[in-house]
Amino acid sequence: EADIYQTPRYLVIGTGKKITLECSQTMGHDKMYWYQQDPGMELHLIHYSYGVNSTEKGDLSSESTVSRIRTEHFPLTLESARPSHTSQYLCASETGTGNTIYFGEGSWLTVV
Amino acid sequence: GQNIDQPTEMTATEGAIVQINCTYQTSGFNGLFWYQQHAGEAPTFLSYNVLDGLEEKGRFSSFLSRSKGYSYLLLKELQMKDSASYLCAVLNNTGGFKTIFGAGTRLFVKA
Repeated sequence: EADIYQTPRYLVIGTGKKITLECSQTMGHDKMYWYQQDPGMELHLIHYSYGVNSTEKGDLSSESTVSRIRTEHFPLTLESARPSHTSQYLCASETGTGNTIYFGEGSWLTVV
Repeated sequence: GQNIDQPTEMTATEGAIVQINCTYQTSGFNGLFWYQQHAGEAPTFLSYNVLDGLEEKGRFSSFLSRSKGYSYLLLKELQMKDSASYLCAVLNNTGGFKTIFGAGTRLFVKA
């Protein structure tokens, strides 16, 4: 069983607000990811990290930013939320052995 | 570039067998995953194939042919709870290791 946690699970915020989605894992995994997924649609990689102080942009252009100051923590920040940011955001971490990805439960963001 | 193709939707009957195919074109291939995702939930790991051949795990089996860029997920004795999206994902090591997901196949199991 994977130990990866996301908060908040559900959030409704106004346009222009700043929001940080938290993601923490207790498995000591070096690799972590953020995916964006609209309901019923495919996963899009928006950010990933190979370890502390490593952050890379994914395949989908995103107006969000990430940081990786500690191994267990990989927060994602939207400086100024817009309705187009309404989506589900999935955090994941990856084992070194077998490269299995474990997902958090997701954060559903609605921007009004 | 990289490309992962799988059917958008499939329908099967409870108790039957269904095969979900996945083809991929990618440089730096290191392995292929299958994930299951129920509506509104996060994906969960099903299988990981690195070598050619069939890997069986209970009712689910996954096959890989690296030379053909082809994989399939086989689900036997279908149950209603198997209705979900099945995501094919490739572990790619171009510019660092990354897992790339296909769009997923939505499987509907009917009684």
